Amino acid sequence: DVKVTQSSRYLVKRTGEKVFLECVQDMDHENMFWYRQDPGLGLRLIYFSYDVKMKEKGDIPEGYSVSREKKERFSLILESASTNQTSMYLCASRQGWGTEAFFGQGTRLTVV
Amino acid sequence: TQLLKQSPQFLSIQEGENLTVYCNSSSVFSSLQWYRQEPGEGPVLLVTVVTGGEVKKLKRLTFQFGDARKDSSLHITAAQPGDTGLYLCAGERTYNTDKLIFGTGTRLQVFP
Repeated sequence: DVKVTQSSRYLVKRTGEKVFLECVQDMDHENMFWYRQDPGLGLRLIYFSYDVKMKEKGDIPEGYSVSREKKERFSLILESASTNQTSMYLCASRQGWGTEAFFGQGTRLTVV
Repeated sequence: TQLLKQSPQFLSIQEGENLTVYCNSSSVFSSLQWYRQEPGEGPVLLVTVVTGGEVKKLKRLTFQFGDARKDSSLHITAAQPGDTGLYLCAGERTYNTDKLIFGTGTRLQVFP
């Protein structure tokens, strides 16, 4: 059974904290994604990685950075969390163009 | 600004009714996918369309990719409570990118 695993389902952090969201996939996929999901806005792409150590900015990269040191792991970093980063964060992986994206169950992050 | 806009944003109908969800863009997409997301879960792929004018059927669901590959529709016949969920379209702008962009989402509620 294919799997994308996010390290936490729920997370509460304080404003100004550095936050790490971890994602691991077991499908040997080339591509990994971090999306943010907010009501009425669907899924907005934060960052996309197409290979180890390779990344590309999505639509809303401000305030976020990413790391992909190993093929199976893609980390999202909030350098200094702010209340407007309270959201649901979804990680996904896929092999290539036209293929299915597999998602983790999401991390609901609350910044207080 | 999100490239893929869905309408309607919300849809609440009775069991047995038909409905259509639209996914529109001013940009051309090389492929278009539809996903369904249930509460507490990540989105799951329903279908992929890659050719302008293509129509695919999945039981009571009919998917169409516009001739110009700028829009798509999802039609559900005789909706059932099990169809309840968030429907998301997603696409890639070109053939040489694996970057997947999602739409704004349509939340469907089907009442018994």
